Amino acid sequence: GAGVSQTPSNKVTEKGKYVELRCDPISGHTALYWYRQSLGQGPEFLIYFQGTGAADDSGLPNDRFFAVRPEGSVSTLKIQRTERGDSAVYLCASRVTSGVSDTQYFGPGTRLTVL
Amino acid sequence: AQSVAQPEDQVNVAEGNPLTVKCTYSVSGNPYLFWYVQYPNRGLQFLLKYITGDNLVKGSYGFEAEFNKSQTSFHLKKPSALVSDSALYFCAVRDRGGATNKLIFGTGTLLAVQP
Repeated sequence: GAGVSQTPSNKVTEKGKYVELRCDPISGHTALYWYRQSLGQGPEFLIYFQGTGAADDSGLPNDRFFAVRPEGSVSTLKIQRTERGDSAVYLCASRVTSGVSDTQYFGPGTRLTVL
Repeated sequence: AQSVAQPEDQVNVAEGNPLTVKCTYSVSGNPYLFWYVQYPNRGLQFLLKYITGDNLVKGSYGFEAEFNKSQTSFHLKKPSALVSDSALYFCAVRDRGGATNKLIFGTGTLLAVQP
């Protein structure tokens, strides 16, 4: 079966530009997460969706970051006025929400480079 | 606050020898612990998890992990290492604060298996 997919795999942009990163979760998974992995670090939580709503956006670093999931499936992470410090790998994960022990399955990530 | 620590940035082992990648945790209450592996330019792949029950958990690719409550550890092990096991390994704990169930990751351990 298909896993979590993310597009693009790589994105190079210039400082100040706007970018969108897409995540397509595993079919039937209602929980979706975005994480950011900086060089040499473990992934850090950004935002969590349960269905269409952002249930927890406490990890978003500032108001330049925003994410949507309008139909409860595909999600888009949007970054406005990109800065060099936004360069990182952005990971998406999905999970079946039948229990607290459920596993999160990750996509391959989008490597964002801000020049 | 919940956290995990991976005290070794890198572990070197010869092919065919047993390997151990260390992880210690700090949580209030019973922990839900996970191991993921990351190959170059790829996302995180789930290896195994401890929720409850037997302290020895078996996972994918011949890996296992031992939960030790008294030492607050969850070390990853494999009896006989393969060159193809060379990758970045992350330990994670599920955040128990609220309903997000986000994962809190360690900084990762690079496993290098020499032929």
